[in-house]
Amino acid sequence: DTGVSQNPRHKITKRGQNVTFRCDPISEHNRLYWYRQTLGQGPEFLTYFQNEAQLEKSRLLSDRFSAERPKGSFSTLEIQRTEQGDSAMYLCASSLARLITDTQYFGPGTRLTVL
Amino acid sequence: GENVEQHPSTLSVQEGDSAVIKCTYSDSASNYFPWYKQELGKRPQLIIDIRSNVGEKKDQRIAVTLNKTAKHFSLHITETQPEDSAVYFCAPGGYQKVTFGTGTKLQVIP
Repeated sequence: DTGVSQNPRHKITKRGQNVTFRCDPISEHNRLYWYRQTLGQGPEFLTYFQNEAQLEKSRLLSDRFSAERPKGSFSTLEIQRTEQGDSAMYLCASSLARLITDTQYFGPGTRLTVL
Repeated sequence: GENVEQHPSTLSVQEGDSAVIKCTYSDSASNYFPWYKQELGKRPQLIIDIRSNVGEKKDQRIAVTLNKTAKHFSLHITETQPEDSAVYFCAPGGYQKVTFGTGTKLQVIP
């Protein structure tokens, strides 16, 4: 399967715990995005990378969230001291960014439940 | 940042009828206008997109029209089928990133 993959698919944790998600993009894609999606809403932008550089981070993202893409391939998203409001689907997408088009291919997502 | 609105938020049509969803945006620098389809429990998938130098694009039963002056673009689905039932998101943007709308839930009634 050459699509975007995410692990784990589901994560249940207790409030206050740290969690880490992984995203493996399509191999030749240079851009990688993280989104959060709650029920009935569109994907909400969190951050994105071009190769290994993190180019933008949403102002809505608290300091408890951090993302890395150390070698410009896979990426991890860590949430520290989880809160119940962090419960959501976390989507990763990758793209081969060109001058105008930036078609994003999404992974299946990681569903986080914070108890 | 980009403000994106979709209308309507829900849409029910009879099978075989047409459906139109409109997306308005605020950033005049946006030059890429995709539509994504998300079926229940699945990931968003691109169904059609248009660049700012084109006014309309068709792909079988799906078309997208762009009015850059008015800052809106629309998704048109003709001869709707039950498998078209899903949530549709517009995501205007450009080279840097796109901003997703809040979605339109389309229900096609057999």
